[in-house]
Amino acid sequence: GAVVSQHPSRVICKSGTSVKIECRSLDFQATTMFWYRQFPKQSLMLMATSNEGSKATYEQGVEKDKFLINHASLTLSTLTVTSAHPEDSSFYICSAQNGAAWNSPLHFGNGTRLTVT
Amino acid sequence: AQSVTQLDSQVPVFEEAPVELRCNYSSSVSVYLFWYVQYPNQGLQLLLKYLSGSTLVKGINGFEAEFNKSQTSFHLRKPSVHISDTAEYFCAVRKETSGSRLTFGEGTQLTVNP
Repeated sequence: GAVVSQHPSRVICKSGTSVKIECRSLDFQATTMFWYRQFPKQSLMLMATSNEGSKATYEQGVEKDKFLINHASLTLSTLTVTSAHPEDSSFYICSAQNGAAWNSPLHFGNGTRLTVT
Repeated sequence: AQSVTQLDSQVPVFEEAPVELRCNYSSSVSVYLFWYVQYPNQGLQLLLKYLSGSTLVKGINGFEAEFNKSQTSFHLRKPSVHISDTAEYFCAVRKETSGSRLTFGEGTQLTVNP
């Protein structure tokens, strides 16, 4: 089946530094990828929709300068948490859409646990 | 307005007992419905999905769900649970009017006790 690789699975960084998270579709091309954030004991909240070759669409309340998204190729989207602070500590999950139609299958990465000290 | 609501935040059950995790959705257009399972510190695994056709959908690990349009529900069931079913379960919806995005419910923590 379709596989989405998310890297790293865990990262610890110091406050003020930036962290990059990668999301790769391994056996299909993904024109659209999604980035979610999940706080402990809570649901997944959509942060942004990433479209290859264009600017990401951010959800209301998500700082685009804080969470930089780049979707430079059909198989790779990156999320960079800039100037990270402890409140950015969370579980980040990406998903990749296999197809252009709105109801094309979605495949999830295994998530990245970010801890900011 | 919340598109999908999971009515129970926690469901404790004993091993080999049946379980139902409830999910209701709100939409005036056609929807696709999903159930995902998440084990601690892991990503999401798709249990089952309803796109069209038969309203009773069978998924992996012995789970099934029934789409009820009149009650706008998509409850997840398993006739006999195992300890290994302990996890967080998320109901999710996709609507054509919302683009491709998947909207998740709040989640239900299923705890299976021996």
